[in-house]
Order: sequence, then C-alpha cells, then structure tokens
Amino acid sequence: AQKVTQAQTEISVVEKEDVTLDCVYETRDTTYYLFWYKQPPSGELVFLIRRNSFDEQNEISGRYSWNFQKSTSSFNFTITASQVVDSAVYFCALSELTGANNLFFGTGTRLTVIP
Amino acid sequence: ETGVTQTPRHLVMGMTNKKSLKCEQHLGHNAMYWYKQSAKKPLELMFVYNFKEQTENNSVPSRFSPECPNSSHLFLHLHTLQPEDSALYLCASSQDLALGGTFTDTQYFGPGTRLTVL
Repeated sequence: AQKVTQAQTEISVVEKEDVTLDCVYETRDTTYYLFWYKQPPSGELVFLIRRNSFDEQNEISGRYSWNFQKSTSSFNFTITASQVVDSAVYFCALSELTGANNLFFGTGTRLTVIP
Repeated sequence: ETGVTQTPRHLVMGMTNKKSLKCEQHLGHNAMYWYKQSAKKPLELMFVYNFKEQTENNSVPSRFSPECPNSSHLFLHLHTLQPEDSALYLCASSQDLALGGTFTDTQYFGPGTRLTVL
C-alpha cells in the first residue's frame, strides 16, 4: 500500500482562484514528519514545509496554507489567489522516525494556473 | 554558488557509453542522496551517503555506481545503461541522518539531470 496518496493527478484553475491539493498518508508511527515540495518545469524540487506529527497547528505562509488533520491522516495544501507562477507539480512526502528508512513521496499533483 | 547543483543538466548516451553525473552541495550538509524520477511514478530513492559512508542502496542495479569523495560531492557513474533507465536523476542533501538513520531532516534538491538512453 502506498504510504502517501495524492489522489488528484492534475488540477487546472483560473488565476486568482483558490485551490487545495490533497495529501493522505499512512503510518503506524506516532512520530513522523510530513513535507510538501514544489517541482516547477525546471525540474528542481523546492522545499515548502516540514511538519512533525506533534504539531497540528495549521500554518500560513503568504498565499500558502497547510491543514494538518491527524484524525483523517491528511496534510492538505491550499494556495490562495493562485498565480501563473504557481503552475508546477506538487509532492507530499512522509518520513517515519522508527519505520523504514525512506522519504516516501506521493505521485504528485500537477497544478496548472490559467491566466 | 548556493544550494545543490548538478551537472550536466541534460545527457544523452548510448547503451555502451560510460558517463558520470555530478552533484555538489554548498549547504554544509553531511548527508547526500540520489533519486530517480520516472514518469508517473513516485520518486525512487537510489543511494544515501551520510558523512561519506553509504548507508542505503535500494536494490539498484550495478550499472549505477555511486561515489562520495567528501560530504560536498556526490557522483553517479553510469555504464551499459538500458533505455528504461531514461529518467530525471535528482540529487539531494540534508544536515545528516537522524539517530537510527531516518530521513527526518529536510532534504534540499538539485535541479536534476535529464538522462536519455538510446
């Protein structure tokens, strides 16, 4: 079973719309870390956020916000007032403290923001 | 230069060629990673080095040979590759591996090398 599921393969929105990218994870660990990365067309994965399992506070950084819900094993990412530069593939990832040695990535969500 | 750099950015090679990918990090990190990114598949971890010592080899074929001469540099030597090895190869670094070798530190990625094997 996949450890990280990003069910949305592709999303298209019109500029200035809000968009939420879903991430559902699976782990038996009580201590784990969740990440979001952005991969623009240039190819480089750009780190966006790291969150540990004990910190359920939602976080906001400019137009970006993250909603961490342990009860539903979800770590969703919302972009407010989307811009064309937000067009990219977004990856959610999970690292377990005591589980297998790996950073488990989802398959990514391709976001296209239409001007 | 800052961050993680990779050269070359693009590489086309025949199945009998030998080539090397280079990664350099300028972040003062001690752990470095190679990933393979193929279309429609999750990123696949290939190799991990922590303080120049290889700690992970995820059943990668021997036609891929990593080398880590110091904590700032990582190479991936390629020989007799197959067309299915065509992919984006990403290098990453992190502060180091946590106690027990887990990947809880943030990894910072380079721009990748787009490899095409003919």
